[in-house]
Amino acid sequence: ETGVTQSPTHLIKTRGQQVTLRCSSQSGHNTVSWYQQALGQGPQFIFQYYREEENGRGNFPPRFSGLQFPNYSSELNVNALELDDSALYLCASSDLYGSGAGELFFGEGSRLTVL
Amino acid sequence: AQSVTQPDIHITVSEGASLELRCNYSYGATPYLFWYVQSPGQGLQLLLKYFSGDTLVQGIKGFEAEFKRSQSSFKLRKPSVHWSDAAEYFCAAMGGNEKLTFGTGTRLTIIP
Repeated sequence: ETGVTQSPTHLIKTRGQQVTLRCSSQSGHNTVSWYQQALGQGPQFIFQYYREEENGRGNFPPRFSGLQFPNYSSELNVNALELDDSALYLCASSDLYGSGAGELFFGEGSRLTVL
Repeated sequence: AQSVTQPDIHITVSEGASLELRCNYSYGATPYLFWYVQSPGQGLQLLLKYFSGDTLVQGIKGFEAEFKRSQSSFKLRKPSVHWSDAAEYFCAAMGGNEKLTFGTGTRLTIIP
């Protein structure tokens, strides 16, 4: 059983650029959720994808977008980067509506720095 | 609005002493409740969870938590801390669609 893996682990961008972060979900999981964790804060829910469809969104602007692929891996895209987008981005996979419902498994995150 | 509050930003405990971390939630109904631990630069590891039933739940690494509905409280405890327990601890609540709402975290420092 493989865990949740995220890439890249660290990256640096400049304001206005675009970034794509990737997440491979745990085997058998059909749902991926993305969270943003600013320095010194708790993670904030960005959005969730269930079977390739967006299934809930937090209070983030449309320049935050995502995809989920048939193998349930996922991407988070952020356009027009702003300094405040600097954060640790966490991906979590789960088996929504399945036997393991309610339990999320987190990756180690992608740390984005925007200069 | 749904919220989770961790009143203690930073706690310092001597190695071998007991630990208690506080968490309060505000939700329409009793949510699922979780405690996660995060070491510097790392992701989140689940310590324990409460869905229903027995209000005292056991977790990994010797941690336990007590749920009190009347106080909207979910306290994390450990009888004797080890230096390796130094980390950031997050309480979280889950409503529908498995969306987690996190508290702001409590940083735990262990002194010899």
